[in-house]
Amino acid sequence: GQQLNQSPQSMFIQEGEDVSMNCTSSSIFNTWLWYKQDPGEGPVLLIALYKAGELTSNGRLTAQFGITRKDSFLNISASIPSDVGIYFCATDSNYQLIWGAGTKLIIKP
Amino acid sequence: DTGVSQNPRHKITKRGQNVTFRCDPISEHNRLYWYRQTLGQGPEFLTYFQNEAQLEKSRLLSDRFSAERPKGSFSTLEIQRTEQGDSAMYLCASSLGIGGRLYEQYFGPGTRLTVT
Repeated sequence: GQQLNQSPQSMFIQEGEDVSMNCTSSSIFNTWLWYKQDPGEGPVLLIALYKAGELTSNGRLTAQFGITRKDSFLNISASIPSDVGIYFCATDSNYQLIWGAGTKLIIKP
Repeated sequence: DTGVSQNPRHKITKRGQNVTFRCDPISEHNRLYWYRQTLGQGPEFLTYFQNEAQLEKSRLLSDRFSAERPKGSFSTLEIQRTEQGDSAMYLCASSLGIGGRLYEQYFGPGTRLTVT
């Protein structure tokens, strides 16, 4: 079946550092979505991408839709404690979303 | 826009009991989705509705599971004869279902089910 490979699996960073994570697939997709999930809560949509090459920002977050339509990345600048959580990429497969395994962001005290 | 709401937030039940969860989507959204999520995994699709019509069901949705959206507004997910393997977070999402934002799904806070 279709799979999204999301990396890294987890990241330990210092507050104030920039963060980068990505999602790749062997298939071409028309949509890339990035979600953040806090423990015990539902995923929250951060950024939606619809065009190859598109670069979209949401505050300190920036995401890009890869030119090949097989990948996407998410950057977080100047991380703060509330950025901790699990970040998921997702893309459309007809009526449903398929999901990466998530990148867990942990900020070192 | 009050967002997607789900009730209850937590449910503890004994094996063999029936449980029912409710989801209220964003009011103007005509698509409603149910997902299941276990620890360390992304959400797994269960089923979705376009208005009141249930258009697709995953193979994960066994005969013990049933979902309804009687008037195209709120939805219920019922699990009969619960098993310990049903323990998970059950997530509901909704989307406009039309136009360029077709796939932007907005999630509720989830219902955490624990089967003892």
